[in-house]
Amino acid sequence: NAGVTQTPKFRVLKTGQSMTLLCAQDMNHEYMYWYRQDPGMGLRLIHYSVGEGTTAKGEVPDGYNVSRLKKQNFLLGLESAAPSQTSVYFCASSYNAGWDGDTQYFGPGTRLTVL
Amino acid sequence: AQSVTQLDSHVSVSEGTPVLLRCNYSSSYSPSLFWYVQHPNKGLQLLLKYTSAATLVKGINGFEAEFKKSETSFHLTKPSAHMSDAAEYFCVVGSLSGGYNKLIFGAGTRLAVHP
Repeated sequence: NAGVTQTPKFRVLKTGQSMTLLCAQDMNHEYMYWYRQDPGMGLRLIHYSVGEGTTAKGEVPDGYNVSRLKKQNFLLGLESAAPSQTSVYFCASSYNAGWDGDTQYFGPGTRLTVL
Repeated sequence: AQSVTQLDSHVSVSEGTPVLLRCNYSSSYSPSLFWYVQHPNKGLQLLLKYTSAATLVKGINGFEAEFKKSETSFHLTKPSAHMSDAAEYFCVVGSLSGGYNKLIFGAGTRLAVHP
């Protein structure tokens, strides 16, 4: 049981390049999330998914796209990377988001630098 | 709207002394509250959560937190710090929004433990 895994762990991009971050979970969770973490701030939600084939915008969605083609995977795409997207990206998953005590389980993070 | 404030950005203690990390929340109802820990270059791990049951919540690694509605606080404590406790700690409030549990993060408290 690996929990939530993310690939890659590190990536350096040039401005304008594209990339996809992969998140996978083996806990059969319905809900998945992508966050970014910047210095001095807590995590901010980029996009989330309440089930296979569904996605929705979070707090800071601009410049990102997501897809959830399989229940266990949640992909985050950057079509044209910008320096402002330099950050650490975390994926999370949860079982039942229908109550405010639902626990989210986090992956180890991807450190992205855009030059 | 819910919000959370971590009162100290940095806390430094000596090994073997008590730890107190302070968190105040704002909510129109009794919310669910979480403490997560993030060790250097790692993902977030759930320490404990409060969900309207016992006001004193015990978590992993000897940590506990007490929910005080009258003070709108959810401070994290540990009787005796260990070197391995050095990490960043996030106080989080859960808020049902748009069909999922929106996590609102504090800015974090970095705990340093000195020998």
